[in-house]
Amino acid sequence: SQKIEQNSEALNIQEGKTATLTCNYTNYSPAYLQWYRQDPGRGPVFLLLIRENEKEKRKERLKVTFDTTLKQSLFHITASQPADSATYLCALPNQAGTALIFGKGTTLSVSS
Amino acid sequence: DTAVSQTPKYLVTQMGNDKSIKCEQNLGHDTMYWYKQDSKKFLKIMFSYNNKELIINETVPNRFSPKSPDKAHLNLHINSLELGDSAVYFCASSQDLGDGKYEQYFGPGTRLTVT
Repeated sequence: SQKIEQNSEALNIQEGKTATLTCNYTNYSPAYLQWYRQDPGRGPVFLLLIRENEKEKRKERLKVTFDTTLKQSLFHITASQPADSATYLCALPNQAGTALIFGKGTTLSVSS
Repeated sequence: DTAVSQTPKYLVTQMGNDKSIKCEQNLGHDTMYWYKQDSKKFLKIMFSYNNKELIINETVPNRFSPKSPDKAHLNLHINSLELGDSAVYFCASSQDLGDGKYEQYFGPGTRLTVT
């Protein structure tokens, strides 16, 4: 079965720096990948979707890359702010394409 | 207006009881889902419904049963609650058949505590 790993449970950075989060997957070649943000006590919120034929996607200070050879996606937040502190979840479709499989998430803390 | 709403937000109950969690979406989406997030924050799909038809059921005990009275609602019924059912349950919806090409919209969650 497919497996998703977000290799850092926690990431601490200083305000203004670029945060880079990693999502690796195995046993699978997904057609796309999604990133979500989750704040404490709230449901996940969709951020970005990147398809297998897209190398990179940007939205404001966010950038996502998708390397199907390495089976890896990188999620970057540039000029990070304390308000970016949250848990970021990577998600892939299951092999049947009927549901999303989520990684365990990386909790980002941005200090001022 | 809240896009995806759930009630109740908190639910504390004893082992062996039967309880329900309600979910409503006002986005006109085709597919609704239930997820369970355990104490380790791992978010796992339980069910999805498309046009009132169950699409998937990911090794969930049959004590859990989704009920969809219409396209905008997907309620979760849990019978004979066990301690291990304690978790946060999220309802979500999306536009398509769940292949993920459209983003999922999540509700605020229901924290279930079984004592």
